[in-house]
Amino acid sequence: GQQVMQIPQYQHVQEGEDFTTYCNSSTTLSNIQWYKQRPGGHPVFLIQLVKSGEVKKQKRLTFQFGEAKKNSSLHITATQTTDVGTYFCAVISSNTGKLIFGQGTTLQVKP
Amino acid sequence: DTAVSQTPKYLVTQMGNDKSIKCEQNLGHDTMYWYKQDSKKFLKIMFSYNNKELIINETVPNRFSPKSPDKAHLNLHINSLELGDSAVYFCASSQPRTSGNTIYFGEGSWLTVV
Repeated sequence: GQQVMQIPQYQHVQEGEDFTTYCNSSTTLSNIQWYKQRPGGHPVFLIQLVKSGEVKKQKRLTFQFGEAKKNSSLHITATQTTDVGTYFCAVISSNTGKLIFGQGTTLQVKP
Repeated sequence: DTAVSQTPKYLVTQMGNDKSIKCEQNLGHDTMYWYKQDSKKFLKIMFSYNNKELIINETVPNRFSPKSPDKAHLNLHINSLELGDSAVYFCASSQPRTSGNTIYFGEGSWLTVV
């Protein structure tokens, strides 16, 4: 079935450093979504990417969808302690139509 | 107003007990879900209902039984609880036709089986 690999699993950065998490699929994706889950919280939708090569920005967050629509990345510039949490990518399975989540990348930011 | 609300938030219970988690959404969505998040934060779909009809039933033990009395409610009943059932259970909803399958999660129910 549809799978999406997300790396790294964990990342510790110093406040002010940049951070990137990657999602990779072996098959072409129709779209990809990104969610953020704060510690003790619930996943919250951040953005959806649909077009090949698409780049979207939300303040310090930059989301990219690969040209082949098989990978995506989330980059945070100059991390802050408020960025702490787990970031998930999610894709729609072409077989079942259900949303499948990557394993998540947990970001820790040292002040 | 909480869009997707679930109760209880915390539940500690003994092995072998039966427990229920309730969920309600006020977003007017047709589709509701139950997800399980384990200690490694992996999010796995368990069930999906569309307008009260079961459409996704993953490989979950039949001790787990969802019930949707109407499209705004999706409850989860668990029989004969086991230690491995300890996890966070998230209710969620979406409206695929209009919001591109964006999932709106409840705050989660932390289940601990002792």
